[in-house]
Amino acid sequence: EAGVAQSPRYKIIEKRQSVAFWCNPISGHATLYWYQQILGQGPKLLIQFQNNGVVDDSQLPKDRFSAERLKGVDSTLKIQPAKLEDSAVYLCASSLDLPLHGHEQYFGPGTRLTVT
Amino acid sequence: AQKITQTQPGMFVQEKEAVTLDCTYDTSDQSYGLFWYKQPSSGEMIFLIYQGSYDEQNATEGRYSLNFQKARKSANLVISASQLGDSAMYFCATAGSARQLTFGSGTQLTVLP
Repeated sequence: EAGVAQSPRYKIIEKRQSVAFWCNPISGHATLYWYQQILGQGPKLLIQFQNNGVVDDSQLPKDRFSAERLKGVDSTLKIQPAKLEDSAVYLCASSLDLPLHGHEQYFGPGTRLTVT
Repeated sequence: AQKITQTQPGMFVQEKEAVTLDCTYDTSDQSYGLFWYKQPSSGEMIFLIYQGSYDEQNATEGRYSLNFQKARKSANLVISASQLGDSAMYFCATAGSARQLTFGSGTQLTVLP
C-alpha cells in the first residue's frame, strides 16, 4: 500500500513570495490533515478535511494560508505572502476516519519550508 | 479544548532497558482517545499505540505499552528492551469531541549502547 505522498520535499523562498504544497493521501482515506511543525515543537493542526469538506480550520491563518481538497482526494496548501515565521515543516496526514474512533493518522515525509 | 503536557524534553536509556515517557492530558470530554507517535531524525511521524478513554485494559503493541491512569489523566508510554533504533522524538496526542488531534511538545529519547 502506497503511503502519503508530499511534494516538494524542500522549498526555499523569500518573504512575501508565494508557495504551494501538494499532498496525495492513502487511497480510500476520507480524512486529510495539514500540520505545521516548527523546529522543537509538536505538530499543530492547520486544517482538517473530511472527504472534500472542511472539518476544522480554526488555526489556519486565513489572511495568508489557503487549502483545498480536490474531489475529496489530493490537497494543496498555499501560503501567500510568506513571512519569516512560516519557516517550518508542513506535514500532511490521512486517516480512514476521525481520530476519536481510534483511527491512526498516516503521515507523509513533510515539506521543509525556509523563508529568508 | 484539549491539552497535552510532556514534561521530559530529553531522556536517556541504556540499550535493553525499559523506559517510561510521561504524558498528562487535560480534557473536558467524556470520550477521548490517546495516541503516541514516534518521529525519527528523518522526520516522518510513525503511529505507535492508541488507548480509548473507555478501554479498561492498557493498550500494548509489541514492545510498547501505554500506562493509562484515567483519574490522574496520565497516559505514559513504556518501551521495553530499548533498541538503538528507538532513539527519536516521541509525541503524545489526544483526540476528543473537537475531532482533531492535539500534540504535546515531545520527548527526545536517546538510547545508549
